[in-house]
This record gives sequence, structure tokens and C-alpha cells, in this order.
Amino acid sequence: QVQLVESGGGMVKPEGSLRLSCAASGFTFSDYYMSWIRQTPGKGLEWVSYISSGGGTIYYADSVKGRFTISRDNAKNSLYLQMNSLRADDTAVYYCARGRTGSYWAFDYWGQGTLVTVSS
Amino acid sequence: DIQMTQSPSSLSASVGDRVTITCRASQSISSNLNWYQQKPGKAPKLLIYAASSLQSGVPSRFSGSGSGTDFILTISSLQPEDFASYYCQLRGSFGPGTKVDI
Repeated sequence: QVQLVESGGGMVKPEGSLRLSCAASGFTFSDYYMSWIRQTPGKGLEWVSYISSGGGTIYYADSVKGRFTISRDNAKNSLYLQMNSLRADDTAVYYCARGRTGSYWAFDYWGQGTLVTVSS
Repeated sequence: DIQMTQSPSSLSASVGDRVTITCRASQSISSNLNWYQQKPGKAPKLLIYAASSLQSGVPSRFSGSGSGTDFILTISSLQPEDFASYYCQLRGSFGPGTKVDI
């Protein structure tokens, strides 16, 4: 069955860095677009970034552009999010999610989420 | 950027009720709208994609309709497991959510 498992969350100071990972299994990872989405109690759900199946197309939300970098390793069935210059408003649960075939903005499988807390 | 609004923000209902949730986009978005259900402490679950297509494994009491700027999620007969929050989504924008409780 499809599984997405995030890791790498934790507490970090403002201006610090963190790298999230998402391990995928149960499907042909290299066939799918993947996204990172975050959620906070105050701001709700916010799409962060996506990467195409081969990695050649990448988009970011304006709120993270220039600070976050999405990448993937299809040989390792893994998705990554490098987060630099972290701010307090980046505090959230971060999910990796799979884009549905033919409609990659529809996220048909999600991981359980990993909590990132930015605080001094 | 396209803004998404949902109404109501919350509603109280009983088992067996018909429930409708509305999502409105600030500009026409054709039919590229998706609906998710989220329960506390869990990740969102895709219910409806492309406005009206039922995701595999989702019960048929869930349905979606609409086009342009106005979309509706309908639960034809609310079941105990349907008490949750519901979100619409267009590409990178999510609605603020509707909480359905007893």
C-alpha cells in the first residue's frame, strides 16, 4: 500500500536550517509529482512547493521562495525539503503528499506529518 | 492570487442529515477544484477531485458539483465518521475549512 513517511522535524532557532525527508513506498515514486504542504492552527493548510516526477519542474509558494529548496532522489524513493532562514511563521506541521495521476494538484496520499517549531 | 472562501465556517448536524458546504473562488477556475476531509490529528484525505469526481474508496454519499467560481460539497446522509473538517483546494490555495460537528 502507498506509504509516505516524513522525518526531520524538530525545534530550531530563527534563521536556522532544517532538512525534511519523505520516504515513499508502495508505488512507483518516479512516476509522480510530489508536494510539501504545511498546516498551522492559525493559517490553516498552505501549499509550500511541488516537484515534477523527474525533478525538472519546481514551484514554490511566495512565502518560502528563496529560502526553501525541494528536491527528490528517485533512486532512493525520497523527497526532501531544505529549509533555510527559518522564521517563527514557518512553524507548522509539514506534510509530503502525492499528486494524483493526471491531476497533480489533487493530493491523493499524504504522510502523517512532521512538526517544525521555530522559536528562540 | 486566487482567494478561496468557504461557508459556513462551522455547522452542527445530526446523523442522517444532508449537509452542503460551499466554496467560492475569487475568479473563475473552471473545474479544477478538490475537496478534502480532515480529522483531528490526521492528515487530510482527498474526497473529490476536479469538482465532481469521487476519489477511489470514498463513499458515494459524498458528491461535488459546481464550476466557475462556486462549488458545493454534499454529504447526502451524514454518518458518525463524517464529523470532521472539510477543505476545498485549487492548485496552491486551500479554503479556510468548514468544521462539521454534532
